[in-house]
Amino acid sequence: ILNVEQSPQSLHVQEGDSTNFTCSFPSSNFYALHWYRWETAKSPEALFVMTLNGDEKKKGRISATLNTKEGYSYLYIKGSQPEDSATYLCAYDAGGYQKVTFGTGTKLQVIP
Amino acid sequence: ETGVTQTPRHLVMGMTNKKSLKCEQHLGHNAMYWYKQSAKKPLELMFVYSLEERVENNSVPSRFSPECPNSSHLFLHLHTLQPEDSALYLCASSQDPQGNNEQYFGPGTRLTVT
Repeated sequence: ILNVEQSPQSLHVQEGDSTNFTCSFPSSNFYALHWYRWETAKSPEALFVMTLNGDEKKKGRISATLNTKEGYSYLYIKGSQPEDSATYLCAYDAGGYQKVTFGTGTKLQVIP
Repeated sequence: ETGVTQTPRHLVMGMTNKKSLKCEQHLGHNAMYWYKQSAKKPLELMFVYSLEERVENNSVPSRFSPECPNSSHLFLHLHTLQPEDSALYLCASSQDPQGNNEQYFGPGTRLTVT
């Protein structure tokens, strides 16, 4: 059983604050790390796919870093907005036929 | 319709019923997936189809039976389910079943087994 941990489980931040959360995954047999955003009553939406140690990806105010040697990835949100409120999921991909293992997610609530 | 669609969005069924969940993708992808999300648990991969062939079956009980008649459609046939099978069932697709392709998800079917 692969262990993919996300922390914190939930957090509340004020509008305008920057925040970050963590995804920990096995450092062996690494192929890719996926980040998804899942808004309530909507479908999960892909944010990033990261494959290389030291990778940094950015999409607007959201960015992510990857450390495959120690098995963690950080997701950063700069200047949080209410529309950023969602559950953020990471998924560890060990290769093969998309054998992805998801974490339980970090639920973010941005307070206006 | 665009993206990945799923029907029905909500389903209530008894343990002796037979029902089917339907997923359709309009993205021209070659791979499709079924996931289950139970309360307070991570998304669990159930089945993977690549070009209509099942390539992954994650030890799912036989009361769940997938069918992929073509690369755009995926079904999950349900029979003699248990109350613990109540969950959100998500369908997804990707360009390729291997590699680091992002998956596109449908809105899910909320299943309640009574």
